[in-house]
Order: sequence, then structure tokens, then C-alpha cells
Amino acid sequence: DTAVSQTPKYLVTQMGNDKSIKCEQNLGHDTMYWYKQDSKKFLKIMFSYNNKELIINETVPNRFSPKSPDKAHLNLHINSLELGDSAVYFCASSQDTANTGELFFGEGSRLTVL
Amino acid sequence: QKEVEQDPGPLSVPEGAIVSLNCTYSNSAFQYFMWYRQYSRKGPELLMYTYSSGNKEDGRFTAQVDKSSKYISLFIRDSQPSDSATYLCASLRSNDYKLSFGAGTTVTVRA
Repeated sequence: DTAVSQTPKYLVTQMGNDKSIKCEQNLGHDTMYWYKQDSKKFLKIMFSYNNKELIINETVPNRFSPKSPDKAHLNLHINSLELGDSAVYFCASSQDTANTGELFFGEGSRLTVL
Repeated sequence: QKEVEQDPGPLSVPEGAIVSLNCTYSNSAFQYFMWYRQYSRKGPELLMYTYSSGNKEDGRFTAQVDKSSKYISLFIRDSQPSDSATYLCASLRSNDYKLSFGAGTTVTVRA
């Protein structure tokens, strides 16, 4: 059973399109995250939700909108895609916000914008 | 300036060598320090974490933190080809529990 699963694994789309990535965790964790990893492997937090409530919202264009329907799911919708959005997007979860830094990551969703 | 700076690599070592990976950080609020390992086309996974200054050993892996110099290190002894991966250091701030990652060092262990 995959602990943190995200779909789709690969996305290839044209500039200007809208796309969504879905994430689910079956670990019973309270906190979920979206990270963006660029081509140089730098991993940067985008959003964090604790029990469906947004707690971290980094400087991310408002074309990116996260949604957490329940604490086991965190989706990411991206409007008007741009070339610079090409990256690997990782979903992660942790037991709670006051954690020791142990995050469980999904396998990533590789987005290519043409 | 990134809050956690990591030696960029890449590193290529022969099997059996000691691998030494280093990071520095700038924020004194960091209290927990982690090393994540990321295999190609996979998500990062936690390898080790330490709280405050000191050493922690787990098998062939040793993590060191020196808070006075804001330095984080990971040593891999008797390296194996299966250790070939990208290693990411990370630090957790105690005030808002935000995790900051270094840029990662890609290590290749040659058989």
C-alpha cells in the first residue's frame, strides 16, 4: 500500500492550459504539503495544510490553488500554465505541524509545459 | 540567499570510499537537522535526523551538527553502489516549524 500517492505521475501540456494534481495519504497524518522541485533539485515548499486548514502559503503565484477536501487529501490546481511551471511537484505528509521534520513524500508529478 | 546552503557536487567515488556531504545554514532558529535521500525519479525519504548539536550514527551513516559554526555533515562509510542518490540536507525552524532544504548533492558510487 502506497503511503503518499499522487496522480498523475507525468503531465505534458501547453502554455495557458489548466491542470490539477491529486494527492492522498493513508498514514493518518494531520499535515500535508506541496513542494516544487526545479531542474537543479532544489526543493521549495509551496503550501501546507493542517487538518484541512491552510497554514503555510509561500510566495507562490495565485495561479496555484490548493484544496484539501479532508485531511487525507490535498490537491493542487494550476491555472494558465507557464513555461516556468515545469518542475516536479511533490506531495508530502507529516504527523502534525510540530514535527521533527519527518516528512513522507509521494513519488512526484513531473509537469512539462510546452 | 537560501537559508540552507549545500555543497553542490556532483560527487563520484569508488565503492568502499567514505562519502562526506556538507551544508551550512544561516538561521539560528533551526533546531532539527535532517538528511533526506532521493533516488532518481523518486520522492525524498528521511535518512537521519538530529536535534541540536552532536553526532548521530546509524549503521554506515553518521550525521554531525555543529551549531556554533552552523554546519551540518553526513558521512557514509564503506559506500555501496546502492548509495548512489541525491542527498538533501534540511533544517526545521523551531518558531514556525517550516522545513528548509539544501539544493542537494548527487552522489555516484562506482562499482
